[in-house]
Amino acid sequence: GQQLNQSPQSMFIQEGEDVSMNCTSSSIFNTWLWYKQDPGEGPVLLIALYKAGELTSNGRLTAQFGITRKDSFLNISASIPSDVGIYFCAGQRRNNNDMRFGAGTRLTVKP
Amino acid sequence: GAVVSQHPSRVICKSGTSVKIECRSLDFQATTMFWYRQFPKQSLMLMATSNEGSKATYEQGVEKDKFLINHASLTLSTLTVTSAHPEDSSFYICSARENRGPYEQYFGPGTRLTVT
Repeated sequence: GQQLNQSPQSMFIQEGEDVSMNCTSSSIFNTWLWYKQDPGEGPVLLIALYKAGELTSNGRLTAQFGITRKDSFLNISASIPSDVGIYFCAGQRRNNNDMRFGAGTRLTVKP
Repeated sequence: GAVVSQHPSRVICKSGTSVKIECRSLDFQATTMFWYRQFPKQSLMLMATSNEGSKATYEQGVEKDKFLINHASLTLSTLTVTSAHPEDSSFYICSARENRGPYEQYFGPGTRLTVT
């Protein structure tokens, strides 16, 4: 079953607002990843984090790998309508064969 | 960038029939591919890990005789849903892992299976 707790489950925001979502785990992961999934599509990798404490940006997206290696957050600044979708966190262990997903955060952006 | 394709994108089949789904890494080699299942409004659940040239590793609760996986080459893995039932209707997504660091996984666009 799921080992990652992702919150919030859903968010309704106005265009231009900032968004923050996070994932926590009861166990350590060596890599944290954030994906976005549009309806009827596969997940697309947004940001990958490989070191504890790492802070990485990709345009308006910023993600951090928690220092305990048990959590990560994703921030989206100045949201736009095309940010709508489901965002998943994923944790991967060192052997790379064990990637687990959070339950997802469904983001709705009102113009 | 790394591209993974899936075929078909949608399939409707009758109960009792078998359906094969293909997953291809188009511009990289992948010794390891993964098959996921996703129900509406839920997250991805790993079904099995597919290894080129060897038997797949199935997650607990996934019937290996029902979900047959073949990974015959470094760019192709197939999932066959045998004797399909309506409860097998779902969104099936594959991913392929690069053979070189940082070993990132890239996902296919998914296959919507409907069993009538």
